Amino acid sequence: GQNIDQPTEMTATEGAIVQINCTYQTSGFNGLFWYQQHAGEAPTFLSYNVLDGLEEKGRFSSFLSRSKGYSYLLLKELQMKDSASYLCAVWSRGGNKLTFGTGTQLKVEL
Amino acid sequence: DGGITQSPKYLFRKEGQNVTLSCEQNLNHDAMYWYRQDPGQGLRLIYYSQIVNDFQKGDIAEGYSVSREKKESFPLTVTSAQKNPTAFYLCASNRGGDYGYTFGSGTRLTVV
Repeated sequence: GQNIDQPTEMTATEGAIVQINCTYQTSGFNGLFWYQQHAGEAPTFLSYNVLDGLEEKGRFSSFLSRSKGYSYLLLKELQMKDSASYLCAVWSRGGNKLTFGTGTQLKVEL
Repeated sequence: DGGITQSPKYLFRKEGQNVTLSCEQNLNHDAMYWYRQDPGQGLRLIYYSQIVNDFQKGDIAEGYSVSREKKESFPLTVTSAQKNPTAFYLCASNRGGDYGYTFGSGTRLTVV
């Protein structure tokens, strides 16, 4: 089976930096995705990591360590519109499907 | 433009009724998926299909049924056997491999 853990909630200040962690235990790991989901809407793709290291894309970066079963999403220069749920999801070989964590609800305050 | 269309956006069901949620894609993707999301929760896999005329149970398939008669369509039926069907339902597709999902806009089902 698979187990994916994320913090339930986080709060940060506009303009600041926040790091959302994700740990996973899975067989046949084949990559990790981060999605952003605003309330009542479908998730939207943020990043994909399959190799160890940091992937940077504008204000968002994602890091992966396969040996530690660990990833994080880094959001810089936070804006109010970044208030959303952030979902960590693992892609497994053989199943051709994503398994999602429960999501981290981020609240950005003034 | 290519994409995934889910309908209806809102659906109300009386207890004991079956209802069918529609999911259509024009992306020519082979794989399609149904997930359920409860408030404050992540997505849980109900059913998925890798090719036409074939589908597999996900983690919470009880009380649901699907069909995949056409590549473009993957409807989900919520049967009366599903005891707690009120949730947000998301359909997704994938063109194969590790390209991630394209999601539909979702259907919010409420039992009244």
